Amino acid sequence: QQPVQSPQAVILREGEDAVINCSSSKALYSVHWYRQKHGEAPVFLMILLKGGEQKGHDKISASFNEKKQQSSLYLTASQLSYSGTYFCGTEDGDDKIIFGKGTRLHILP
Amino acid sequence: DAGVIQSPRHEVTEMGQEVTLRCKPISGHNSLFWYRQTMMRGLELLIYFNNNVPIDDSGMPEDRFSAKMPNASFSTLKIQPSEPRDSAVYFCASKREYTEAFFGQGTRLTVV
Repeated sequence: QQPVQSPQAVILREGEDAVINCSSSKALYSVHWYRQKHGEAPVFLMILLKGGEQKGHDKISASFNEKKQQSSLYLTASQLSYSGTYFCGTEDGDDKIIFGKGTRLHILP
Repeated sequence: DAGVIQSPRHEVTEMGQEVTLRCKPISGHNSLFWYRQTMMRGLELLIYFNNNVPIDDSGMPEDRFSAKMPNASFSTLKIQPSEPRDSAVYFCASKREYTEAFFGQGTRLTVV
């Protein structure tokens, strides 16, 4: 089952914050977040494991609510380099990653 | 490590021709995935191998698609015969168990 991401697209001004949500209808073992720039491959941002801690890197952090089977990605004080498409990927314990359709983020100067 | 290596980077072929996409995963990774990316459907999982064995091929669209992994360092995705609706970017990714996946640069396939 493909996870559902929201919103589909976001336009921000540099310095503003954004939240991207990901939800699944299945019990999850882990949630992955990736960012893809136009014409490039998806690049790993972070992984959240069942029972694990909230992860963070610089001004990008994420949370994982196991009971609700939901994850959120938080982008704080966005920079121009944050532009791209963000994908959440979910694993339900069988080690395969199913991706959502992505959220397009565009940062304006 | 050079990362996941895919070839070719671009492929243009005529409808009805056979197309073979190739992937070399990162050494030591025991899982390999083939994904297809289009604007409409996003990143679709086509097939997943674990220790060279196909585990889940439920995402393979039809019998025209086949994938093999003869050893731990090589996999192919074949489309025969190809159709215009197969045009997409095909990504190969590899990972160790319960860690992040690393993607190759993709093969942009155009079927005319």
